[in-house]
Amino acid sequence: KAGVTQTPRYLIKTRGQQVTLSCSPISGHRSVSWYQQTPGQGLQFLFEYFSETQRNKGNFPGRFSGRQFSNSRSEMNVSTLELGDSALYLCASRRDISFYEQYFGPGTRLTVT
Amino acid sequence: EDQVTQSPEALRLQEGESSSLNCSYTVSGLRGLFWYRQDPGKGPEFLFTLYSAGEEKEKERLKATLTKKESFLHITAPKPEDSATYLCAVQATGGGSNYKLTFGKGTLLTVNP
Repeated sequence: KAGVTQTPRYLIKTRGQQVTLSCSPISGHRSVSWYQQTPGQGLQFLFEYFSETQRNKGNFPGRFSGRQFSNSRSEMNVSTLELGDSALYLCASRRDISFYEQYFGPGTRLTVT
Repeated sequence: EDQVTQSPEALRLQEGESSSLNCSYTVSGLRGLFWYRQDPGKGPEFLFTLYSAGEEKEKERLKATLTKKESFLHITAPKPEDSATYLCAVQATGGGSNYKLTFGKGTLLTVNP
């Protein structure tokens, strides 16, 4: 069974630009969560989507947004990039909201210059 | 606010030298505690879920235990391939679809041959 996939794996953007990251969950998984990982803050929860609806949101500014499609694939968008947005962005999927165990993808390494 | 503290931040062991990693947590009500392993440049790999105090789970050389305030990850006779960052996360009780993992900063384990 294929795991969670994320594209692209690496990305370099300039401050002020916007970026879209993509995540395909494990087949049959309907919930997708996004996390930001940095050396200083560790792993921080961004948001979770289930059935195309945002179910929960972390403490990030409105520049961070996401969406989920009917096939459970998800995208995350960051507008007006700042240097501090440089991080590893991780996507995780779980079967549905009654299952707690979630499985992570390899991440997208975003560098903002 | 939910908090997770992992110690030590880094641990060096000789091959075969058993030890334990600690994860202490503060949460209003615990729904689950999760252990993950993360290799450099990769996403976290799910290891265990613990739900209630007194619960134990084992996988190869790893054994996770849970009390009301902390969890331990015991590593018995580690091998160099056990070298990784070990992450602990908690999920608090809340609304049915309110799902958010709060992670610790991790313990970087290095096992020397």
